[in-house]
Amino acid sequence: SQQGEEDPQALSIQEGENATMNCSYKTSINNLQWYRQNSGRGLVHLILIRSNEREKHSGRLRVTLDTSKKSSSLLITASRAADTASYFCATRAYSGAGSYQLTFGKGTKLSVIP
Amino acid sequence: GAGVSQSPRYKVAKRGQDVALRCDPISGHVSLFWYQQALGQGPEFLTYFQNEAQLDKSGLPSDRFFAERPEGSVSTLKIQRTQQEDSAVYLCASSLALTRGTDTQYFGPGTRLTVL
Repeated sequence: SQQGEEDPQALSIQEGENATMNCSYKTSINNLQWYRQNSGRGLVHLILIRSNEREKHSGRLRVTLDTSKKSSSLLITASRAADTASYFCATRAYSGAGSYQLTFGKGTKLSVIP
Repeated sequence: GAGVSQSPRYKVAKRGQDVALRCDPISGHVSLFWYQQALGQGPEFLTYFQNEAQLDKSGLPSDRFFAERPEGSVSTLKIQRTQQEDSAVYLCASSLALTRGTDTQYFGPGTRLTVL
């Protein structure tokens, strides 16, 4: 079953604008990760944030995590047409059964218009 | 080095046929995962191997699904008597190890299975 829910389901912006995607999850986590999936290609890991971290940056990406609200956001600044893809958040459980697997949300489909 | 590879990339099967999907993980990666991704959905966990040991198969949807990794490297996901609801993209991922819980999973391009 899906752990997370991304919001919005779809997002269309102009090149150069910022894109913000949100993710909510249900159970305690060890870490939360964001992946990108281009049409016809596999998932590419973007960034990982641990449960004891609140914010992380990587290039044009900024991720925040609020464990009290069980939510995360991914900000892509100065978007490019090449950023067009589906973005998924994935959680890794803290411990116990299922702690090996990643549990994905349904994804946000981002379209960046040149 | 080379990433995770999967074959075939596309597979069309008639309902009731058996299929076998192959995954070649990154060399030296201990952990291997299979996920199923239905159209418009996120991937869902199927099973996990650590070397040749299948440690978790809780996500396999039925006993028609079987996975193996006999020598701790290449893995095969087999689906017997395929049904239309098995149509999906099957993704394989590998990671170096899971000892610290933060190891990145590297995904292959997937096998798109269509059951007619």
